[in-house]
Formats: sequence, structure tokens, C-alpha cells
Amino acid sequence: GQNIDQPTEMTATEGAIVQINCTYQTSGFNGLFWYQQHAGEAPTFLSYNVLDGLEEKGRFSSFLSRSKGYSYLLLKELQMKDSASYLCAVRTNQAGTALIFGKGTTLSVSS
Amino acid sequence: DVKVTQSSRYLVKRTGEKVFLECVQDMDHENMFWYRQDPGLGLRLIYFSYDVKMKEKGDIPEGYSVSREKKERFSLILESASTNQTSMYLCASSNTGETQYFGPGTRLLVL
Repeated sequence: GQNIDQPTEMTATEGAIVQINCTYQTSGFNGLFWYQQHAGEAPTFLSYNVLDGLEEKGRFSSFLSRSKGYSYLLLKELQMKDSASYLCAVRTNQAGTALIFGKGTTLSVSS
Repeated sequence: DVKVTQSSRYLVKRTGEKVFLECVQDMDHENMFWYRQDPGLGLRLIYFSYDVKMKEKGDIPEGYSVSREKKERFSLILESASTNQTSMYLCASSNTGETQYFGPGTRLLVL
């Protein structure tokens, strides 16, 4: 079966660093995506990994280990506006180009 | 910038009504998707289309149908709306192998 796991909720304070983990078990693998979704809004693309290693984009970085079926999203210098849900999604070879989404991690940043 | 638009942000319908949700993208993307998002369940794929007049079932197609008569437009149809179809509906588009871009979502309430 297809399964993507990520923590339901996390909390952190402004200026801190937080790591959101995602583990996956899927039939085939063709890339992992992270999206950010603010309450009541559409998901917006953050990062994409298809090879092992770290991809850095400003305050956000994403890591992938295909052998472990594991990814994380690292958010540095947290700001209040980073309070949102973070969605991990895997593209497999089975479902065309469709994505399989985890249930999302709700991050709350406090001052 | 990629733009994906959906016909309504909020919609209220009665049980048994036929409901049309429209999605339009302006980037000539090949692939279009319909998801629903529910608390605790995350995003689930209803249908997707990889070309005009082509469609594929996703994970939860029951009670839904789709239409793609033109490349830029993908419609989701609820033949006879039921209360368990109350949800947030998200449309997305992409080119093959690339990131999916989401529309703003339609929050549907079925009474």
C-alpha cells in the first residue's frame, strides 16, 4: 500500500529552527514535494527532491534519503508568518503525475 | 506566474442537486487534478486528466465525474450531491514531471 507519515502538530518560537519529518512507503518513487498551506488558502510549492541530499532555498531546506524512505523540511529563523500546515507529497510511477499527500503537519510559531 | 482559478470560493447546495465545479489554468499545462481536503484526512485525489478528453480515477472517484473538453478547463461534477461531499475542493495543474500548482479552492457545503 501507499503510506506517508508526518507529525500532526508542532510548536516552535520565533527565531528558532524546526525540522518536520516525513516518512513514506510507496510503490515506486519519482520525487518528493513539500507544500505550505495557510489556513483557508491553497497549498503553495516549497521544495522538490528527487535525488538524495539537501536542497536549500533561503530559510527553507529539504532533505531526502531514498533508501530510508525519509525526508525532512528544515525551517530556520522562524517567523510568525511561518505558522501554517506543511504537506509532504510523493510522486510515484503508478499514478501518472498525480501526488500522494501526507495528512500535513500544523506548525504554530509563537513569540 | 502560473494561474489556476476556480469558479467559486464558497458554494452551498442541497442534497440531490447536481453541482459543477470549474477549474481553469492559463499555463498550457497537460495535466489537471481534482482533490478534496478534509480535516484529519489530508488531500485525496478524486480524478486527474493528462490530456483533453482523457481522465483517470484517483483514490476516491465514487460520486464524482469529470470533464475536460478543452486543455485549459477541467470540471468536477457531483451528479447528486450528498452531505458527505461537504469539503474543500482543490484543483491543480502541471506539466509532466513538474510541480503542481493549486487553485484557491472551493469550500462546498451540502445541506
